[in-house]
Amino acid sequence: QKEVEQDPGPLSVPEGAIVSLNCTYSNSAFQYFMWYRQYSRKGPELLMYTYSSGNKEDGRFTAQVDKSSKYISLFIRDSQPSDSATYLCAMSVAAGNKLTFGGGTRVLVKP
Amino acid sequence: GAVVSQHPSRVICKSGTSVKIECRSLDFQATTMFWYRQFPKQSLMLMATSNEGSKATYEQGVEKDKFLINHASLTLSTLTVTSAHPEDSSFYICSARLTSGGAGDEQYFGPGTRLTVT
Repeated sequence: QKEVEQDPGPLSVPEGAIVSLNCTYSNSAFQYFMWYRQYSRKGPELLMYTYSSGNKEDGRFTAQVDKSSKYISLFIRDSQPSDSATYLCAMSVAAGNKLTFGGGTRVLVKP
Repeated sequence: GAVVSQHPSRVICKSGTSVKIECRSLDFQATTMFWYRQFPKQSLMLMATSNEGSKATYEQGVEKDKFLINHASLTLSTLTVTSAHPEDSSFYICSARLTSGGAGDEQYFGPGTRLTVT
């Protein structure tokens, strides 16, 4: 079993819909949680960075962390075709430590 | 801010030759950089952690004599693939750690280097 599980998708939604992404993990020592967006043949772009449990909102993006359930989520409101990409969750035990990535979810937002 | 560059973006080399990939943090100093490789439609796999002025720490299964890492300054780390073979063909991505001083340290990624070994 992988340390971080993420549904590979593809997840297809119409433009304007809410995109809901999630990851589960097994290592209770993870404290820092991140979401990255990666376009084809490009490096990952940091979207959200959270510490411990709770919610964080930034524009159209909302990240949620539930450490008791070992479950994190990313919501994208008012999705746009330009949001079509692969979304990777990542987590680490301590600040600045190496990241453990999920496998990524491919998202397609159709106009 | 927090921009990381990589050079070259794409390289094709012949089997048996060596290739050097550069990773630079353009607007911040990075004491720690990380090197990943990514196969098509797969996630990133950490190869090694590079610390400025000291030896890199390699992940299990990564040959340190084949993938040479040098972190000579606070803004530059290099990965050299020695005696490359076709199975080394992959997308290599670096990241640099930005010490924010707040909730934690964030990693910013370069655009990646596509290596093809013929």
